[in-house]
Parts: sequence; C-alpha cells; structure tokens
Amino acid sequence: GDSVTQMEGPVTLSEEAFLTINCTYTATGYPSLFWYVQYPGEGLQLLLKATKADDKGSNKGFEATYRKETTSFHLEKGSVQVSDSAVYFCALSDMIAAGNKLTFGGGTRVLVKP
Amino acid sequence: DTGVSQDPRHKITKRGQNVTFRCDPISEHNRLYWYRQTLGQGPEFLTYFQNEAQLEKSRLLSDRFSAERPKGSFSTLEIQRTEQGDSAMYLCASTPTGASYEQYFGPGTRLTVT
Repeated sequence: GDSVTQMEGPVTLSEEAFLTINCTYTATGYPSLFWYVQYPGEGLQLLLKATKADDKGSNKGFEATYRKETTSFHLEKGSVQVSDSAVYFCALSDMIAAGNKLTFGGGTRVLVKP
Repeated sequence: DTGVSQDPRHKITKRGQNVTFRCDPISEHNRLYWYRQTLGQGPEFLTYFQNEAQLEKSRLLSDRFSAERPKGSFSTLEIQRTEQGDSAMYLCASTPTGASYEQYFGPGTRLTVT
C-alpha cells in the first residue's frame, strides 16, 4: 500500500536558519503530494501541494518539489522564524486508486529558537 | 466561521462506555473524511463519505466503530464499548468533489478513555 516516510524530529533551529525536512513516499498510482502544518493548539492546515512530477509547491516561504525519480517531496525554507515552530506532516493522496484519502507521514516537530 | 467544526472538542469516558462525535463539514463539500491521530503520530484514515454514501472503511475501523452521514451533511462517529487503545484525536476533514485535492480539517475531538 501507499506509505510516507519523513525524518523524525524534533528539529531545533535558530531563527533565520535554513530548514529542510526530508520526505519520501511509496505509491502504486499517481499521487498528489502535500505538506500539512499543525501549529500548537490548532488544527491541520495545508501548507503547500504538488499534483504532478516536477511541480513545485510554495507558500509562506516554504517550497517543495515533486521528484518522481527519487520519490521525494522535501520541504525547505531559507530563513525560519519563531512562528514556524510547529509539527509538519508530509502526505499523499491517490485520487484514482484511493478516493483521495490522505496517507500521512509520522510528522516532524520543528522548534525555532530566537 | 465557515470552516469544519467538530463537537465535542474533548471527551473523557470510562472504558466500556459508548461515545459519539459530530462533524459539520464546510457547506457544499461532498466528501467527508474521518482520521485518527495518536500522540506523536500522523493521522490515519478511518473512513470517508461521498454525500451520504460511505465508500471506504479502513481495517482500523473495528466493528465497534460506526459512522454515518445522514442527508449528506453532518457526520457522526460512534465508538461502542470504548477501550483504552481508542484514546486519540479524531479528525474530520471535508473537500468538494472534483479537481481540488485539498482537504480542510476540523480542530479534532480528543478522546481519553480511562
């Protein structure tokens, strides 16, 4: 079945540091890929998405590129802020095979210190 | 606020009791999903509805779990004879049918079984 693997946290960074969170996936069909973010005390929010190979999703300074050849969708941000402290989830959905349900990775907690 | 709402936000119950959660999706969203998230893990798919039809159920959804979506609007998730292993955050998400793949999540219902 489909699966998502992402680097374990916690990841602790200083403000303005570069952030990378690795994510790789296994899927039998043609998945769309997502990054969701969960801020403390809040619900899951979509951060960015990419629906086909080589697409780049971007939002709030975060970027991720859909790499079919390496089955990866790594999240990056060039200069993090304290407000980026959250748990980040990589996810995929396969519209054709699985009714658009989401398969999530285990999440990566990011803590940005001033 | 026209987002996905869930009620209650917190539920504490004793083992063996029945509990019911409610989810109100975004108006006119045809698809509604239930996920379960245990501490430190990513959400796991439980079931989803297209309008009032329940189209898929995960193997995680034992016979003690039942979900309904009468009239294709709000949905309920009932757990009978709760067990300590049912303690988790239960998340609801909705999405319109069609090309949009984004799922909009509610704040979740945290269940604690003592």
